[in-house]
Amino acid sequence: QVQLVESGGGLVKPGGSLRLSCAASGFTFSDYYMSWIRQAPGKGLEWVSYISSSGSTIYYADSVKGRFTISRDNAKNSLYLQMNSLRAEDTAVYYCARGVDTGREDYFDYWGQGTLVTVSS
Amino acid sequence: SYELTQPPSVSVSPGQTARITCSGDALPKQYAYWYQQKPGQAPVLVIYKDSERPSGIPERFSGSSSGTTVTLTISGVQAEDEADYYCQSADSSGTSHVVFGGGTKLTVL
Repeated sequence: QVQLVESGGGLVKPGGSLRLSCAASGFTFSDYYMSWIRQAPGKGLEWVSYISSSGSTIYYADSVKGRFTISRDNAKNSLYLQMNSLRAEDTAVYYCARGVDTGREDYFDYWGQGTLVTVSS
Repeated sequence: SYELTQPPSVSVSPGQTARITCSGDALPKQYAYWYQQKPGQAPVLVIYKDSERPSGIPERFSGSSSGTTVTLTISGVQAEDEADYYCQSADSSGTSHVVFGGGTKLTVL
């Protein structure tokens, strides 16, 4: 069965860095695009970043552009999110999600359980 | 930026029908997707491409589309359906590949 397991969250000071990982299993990881989606405490879902199956195409939300970097290692079935210059407003649960591209819009058929990132002094 | 609008809350009694709407200008051209999220859990896809139901999702969940509004309908609501529901789509210009609605809290009275 499809499993996505995030790790790497924790408490970090404003301006600090953190690297999230997502270990995928139960499917051919290299066949799917992946995304990071976050949810601030008590708030809704916010898409953060997308990476194509090969890693050649990447998109970011304006709120993280220039600070976050998404990457993947298909040999290790892993997805990553390098987060730099963290701000209090980046505090959220970060989910990795498997993407489906319909050719018109994208959606997410499997989600991990999430990892909490807290940015606070 | 493109927005999808949902009511903040919907309340129904057990056994009744709940309808949750999502409005957006691009919805006549783009499919909508619905996710259920229970407290402390990850979202789960319950409807894709406006009205398709993934395997394992109960038949009481259905989706429909009319113009700029899509609707998630839960027939014969059960206590276990109490959750937050999010619609998701994209704008038709290709600028925003993924947009989520603000979410609707479904309360089963």
